[in-house]
Amino acid sequence: GNSVTQMEGPVTLSEEAFLTINCTYTATGYPSLFWYVQYPGEGLQLLLKATKADDKGSNKGFEATYRKETTSFHLEKGSVQVSDSAVYFCALSTNAGKSTFGDGTTLTVKP
Amino acid sequence: ETGVTQSPTHLIKTRGQQVTLRCSSQSGHNTVSWYQQALGQGPQFIFQYYREEENGRGNFPPRFSGLQFPNYSSELNVNALELDDSALYLCASTPEPDRQGGGGYTFGSGTRLTVV
Repeated sequence: GNSVTQMEGPVTLSEEAFLTINCTYTATGYPSLFWYVQYPGEGLQLLLKATKADDKGSNKGFEATYRKETTSFHLEKGSVQVSDSAVYFCALSTNAGKSTFGDGTTLTVKP
Repeated sequence: ETGVTQSPTHLIKTRGQQVTLRCSSQSGHNTVSWYQQALGQGPQFIFQYYREEENGRGNFPPRFSGLQFPNYSSELNVNALELDDSALYLCASTPEPDRQGGGGYTFGSGTRLTVV
């Protein structure tokens, strides 16, 4: 079956530091890949997506590249802010429309 | 444009009871999916509704059931509640069933269910 493995957290960074959150997946077929963000007390918000190999998704300074050869979709940001503190979920989706999520990585950014 | 709204926000039930959670999809979205998010874990797919019928189901027992109404809103019903049912229940909508898997969801803020 499909699965997503995320870098274990929590991750604590200082403001303006570089962020990488690793994500690897196992899937049959050719999934689409997503990063969602969850702020405290809220639901998940779609952050970025990529639908085929070598696509790069980007939003709000975050980027992730769909790497089929390494089955990875690592999330990066060049300079994090305190407001980026949240839980980040990597997910994949196939043609059934059902998404499979990782267990999330908690990011805390300190001033 | 309104987003996905869920009610209630919090709920406490006793083991063995039944519960109904409600969801209004985002305007223009006719497909609703329900997810269970246990503490410290990612969301797990329960089922999806499209055109008032179940359109895919995850590994959840039959005591988890749902409905979708003509206005695309949806209910999640859980019978014979167990302690392990305590979780955040998330509703998500999409404009159509995402047959190519590339669209991504719009999520509500969830209902926090506690079973005691």
